[in-house]
Amino acid sequence: GNSVTQMEGPVTLSEEAFLTINCTYTATGYPSLFWYVQYPGEGLQLLLKATKADDKGSNKGFEATYRKETTSFHLEKGSVQVSDSAVYFCALSDLTQAGTALIFGKGTTLSVSS
Amino acid sequence: GAGVSQSPSNKVTEKGKDVELRCDPISGHTALYWYRQSLGQGLEFLIYFQGNSAPDKSGLPSDRFSAERTGGSVSTLTIQRTQQEDSAVYLCASSLQGAGANVLTFGAGSRLTVL
Repeated sequence: GNSVTQMEGPVTLSEEAFLTINCTYTATGYPSLFWYVQYPGEGLQLLLKATKADDKGSNKGFEATYRKETTSFHLEKGSVQVSDSAVYFCALSDLTQAGTALIFGKGTTLSVSS
Repeated sequence: GAGVSQSPSNKVTEKGKDVELRCDPISGHTALYWYRQSLGQGLEFLIYFQGNSAPDKSGLPSDRFSAERTGGSVSTLTIQRTQQEDSAVYLCASSLQGAGANVLTFGAGSRLTVL
């Protein structure tokens, strides 16, 4: 079945450091890929998405490229801020099963210190 | 409404009691989802509704869990004879149609604590 595996945290960085959170997936068909973020005390919200191979999703300085050859969608940011401290979830949906719910990874906690 | 609304935001109950959690999705969103978020377990899919029907119930962890949706809008998740392992945050989300093409909007969640 479809699944998402993301690196376990917590990830602890200093402000302005480079961030990578790895995400790989297993899917039949042609999934769309997503990164959701959950800030402390808030609900999940979409950070970025990519709907086909080689697409790059970007938002708030974060980027992720849909790599079909490596079945990956790693999240990157060149210079993190304290305000980026949150839990990040990688997720997929499968367009061949329209209506199937998003499948999430277990989440990676990022903590950025000043 | 403007967002996905869930109630109660916090619920403390005794083991063996039944609980009902409510979700009011964004107006016009036909798809509705329930997830469970537990420490160390990430986001666990429970059930999905398209309109009033539930084509995917595969995630419900046991027959103590049930959900319904009426009028294509509000949904209720019911947990019967609660157990301590049911303690978690229950998240509801909605989207314009199935998650294949659309973004999910999440509510703030209902935190359930079973003593």
